[in-house]
Amino acid sequence: ELKVEQNPLFLSMQEGKNYTIYCNYSTTSDRLYWYRQDPGKSLESLFVLLSNGAVKQEGRLMASLDTKARLSTLHITAAVHDLSATYFCAVDKETSGSRLTFGEGTQLTVNP
Amino acid sequence: GAVVSQHPSWVICKSGTSVKIECRSLDFQATTMFWYRQFPKQSLMLMATSNEGSKATYEQGVEKDKFLINHASLTLSTLTVTSAHPEDSSFYICSARSGRVYTFGSGTRLTVV
Repeated sequence: ELKVEQNPLFLSMQEGKNYTIYCNYSTTSDRLYWYRQDPGKSLESLFVLLSNGAVKQEGRLMASLDTKARLSTLHITAAVHDLSATYFCAVDKETSGSRLTFGEGTQLTVNP
Repeated sequence: GAVVSQHPSWVICKSGTSVKIECRSLDFQATTMFWYRQFPKQSLMLMATSNEGSKATYEQGVEKDKFLINHASLTLSTLTVTSAHPEDSSFYICSARSGRVYTFGSGTRLTVV
């Protein structure tokens, strides 16, 4: 059974600081997704990482994938309040019928 | 980009009534649609997977007679919560897959009173 674990689950940080959210998964997979969810809203796609060593950046967020370590990271640079949200990573595996398995989510609060 | 329309965005219903939630892929054909349920401050819980023209596959512990899923076309899937009770109150999200691209609907907040 494919398992996805995120840490930390809760993150409170000050504006201007940097931090990293980690996403570990239990079996081999070739595609990893990061999503953002605002309170009361659905999921917004941030990144899709397709291969080992993939790195993608959008604004203050940068995601990377190490398939050998079964680890993805979401790095936040110089956080701003607008980044406050819950971030989910998810993995799909073709042999599992190609459906997403989600991590528990990381609730990020950026304080002024 | 791909858009999935989900309606209604919120609904309040009385106990014992049924509620239907629609999920439409607007500009693509979805080979598979997924229905999730999300409790406050928790992750998404997959309820069922549906393919056009075939019966939905329900996850363990999800009552198929209570959560009826119909996937009549490549662009429309519906979830009907039958005989709703307060414990069915939750946030329901659909997702449509085309290839290995997943697009999420905007979600439906169901409150059963």
